[in-house]
Amino acid sequence: GQNIDQPTEMTATEGAIVQINCTYQTSGFNGLFWYQQHAGEAPTFLSYNVLDGLEEKGRFSSFLSRSKGYSYLLLKELQMKDSASYLCAVMYGGATNKLIFGTGTLLAVQP
Amino acid sequence: GAVVSQHPSRVICKSGTSVKIECRSLDFQATTMFWYRQFPKQSLMLMATSNEGSKATYEQGVEKDKFLINHASLTLSTLTVTSAHPEDSSFYICSARQGASPPLHFGNGTRLTVT
Repeated sequence: GQNIDQPTEMTATEGAIVQINCTYQTSGFNGLFWYQQHAGEAPTFLSYNVLDGLEEKGRFSSFLSRSKGYSYLLLKELQMKDSASYLCAVMYGGATNKLIFGTGTLLAVQP
Repeated sequence: GAVVSQHPSRVICKSGTSVKIECRSLDFQATTMFWYRQFPKQSLMLMATSNEGSKATYEQGVEKDKFLINHASLTLSTLTVTSAHPEDSSFYICSARQGASPPLHFGNGTRLTVT
């Protein structure tokens, strides 16, 4: 079966840095995504990793190690508006390329 | 950028009735669309993969006769929840991919409440 694990909740302070980890075990791998989701809204795309290493995009960075089945999302200079759920998702399945989501991490940014 | 439109955004229906949710790719063609369901404080669960011109592929545990999916054109997929029950109340989200490239683009979701 497919398994994607993330911490359920995290708390961090405004202006700080937070790292959200994700581990996965899937039958096939075509890339790993991070999405942000505010309550009651659809997910919005943050980052995509298909090769090992770090992808940086402004305040957000994402890292992937395929051999370890591990990724993390790094958020710098946290702002209150960053309080949201962060979803790790793995794409697999050959031509179909299904996207399966992890449990999500609810991040609370405190002043 | 690629836009996916989902309609309606909210719907309330009585138990036993059917509800249709539409998902449209507005500025691109999507041969494949995906339907997800999300219960409160939980992550997105893939229900089925919708393929244009062919039958949908359902995930394990999802009743294909209850959740009817039709992908009649390259820009439209519909999900019909038949004989809805209160336990079907959830947030349903569709997504589509432009060609073979990531990422998936998501609709704004449909909040279904069955009374």
